[in-house]
Amino acid sequence: SAVISQKPSRDICQRGTSLTIQCQVDSQVTMMFWYRQQPGQSLTLIATANQGSEATYESGFVIDKFPISRPNLTFSTLTVSNMSPEDSSIYLCSVAIPGTGNTEAFFGQGTRLTVV
Amino acid sequence: AQSVTQLDSQVPVFEEAPVELRCNYSSSVSVYLFWYVQYPNQGLQLLLKYLSGSTLVKGINGFEAEFNKSQTSFHLRKPSVHISDTAEYFCAVSEGGGYQKVTFGTGTKLQVIP
Repeated sequence: SAVISQKPSRDICQRGTSLTIQCQVDSQVTMMFWYRQQPGQSLTLIATANQGSEATYESGFVIDKFPISRPNLTFSTLTVSNMSPEDSSIYLCSVAIPGTGNTEAFFGQGTRLTVV
Repeated sequence: AQSVTQLDSQVPVFEEAPVELRCNYSSSVSVYLFWYVQYPNQGLQLLLKYLSGSTLVKGINGFEAEFNKSQTSFHLRKPSVHISDTAEYFCAVSEGGGYQKVTFGTGTKLQVIP
């Protein structure tokens, strides 16, 4: 298993500002993922962040809006840039566990973002 | 492309009654299937997964699911629910080798009524 710490757990931000969300894992993992969960909706993958390579973004998400860093095997950040009320969501960090053949993922508790 | 359909957005059920949460998927290749649970203000927790082998999969907290390839379904069941099972449940599918390109369903809110 893995323990994932996500910070902050929640925040209220002014439109036009940026917020950086941190994800810390208690073990080394290759594959990390960032998801968005909009109110009343399911999870949507924003990007895959593998250490040693550029993040891979899904359709509809761009690096300028959601820059990601992955400096080592236990840490990643997601920045939500130039925020608007439409960015109000829960943002979740997830890691795939090598010991399971990367067939299981663990999730952080999420960052609940409200943009006003 | 793969997709997941959870047919019920909300399921109310009385405590100690059985429950089934429905999930159908579509994919052109072999898939991995997952059920996750999300308690209020928490992240997702894996309940169970199907990779291969036996089509009946047992998970944590007394839940089980059955993979039915002909009906492309992966319904989640529990014979007797508790108040603590009140949560949102997500079905997910992955076509990749391992946890890659996972698609989640829209979720089913299970409300257990005392």
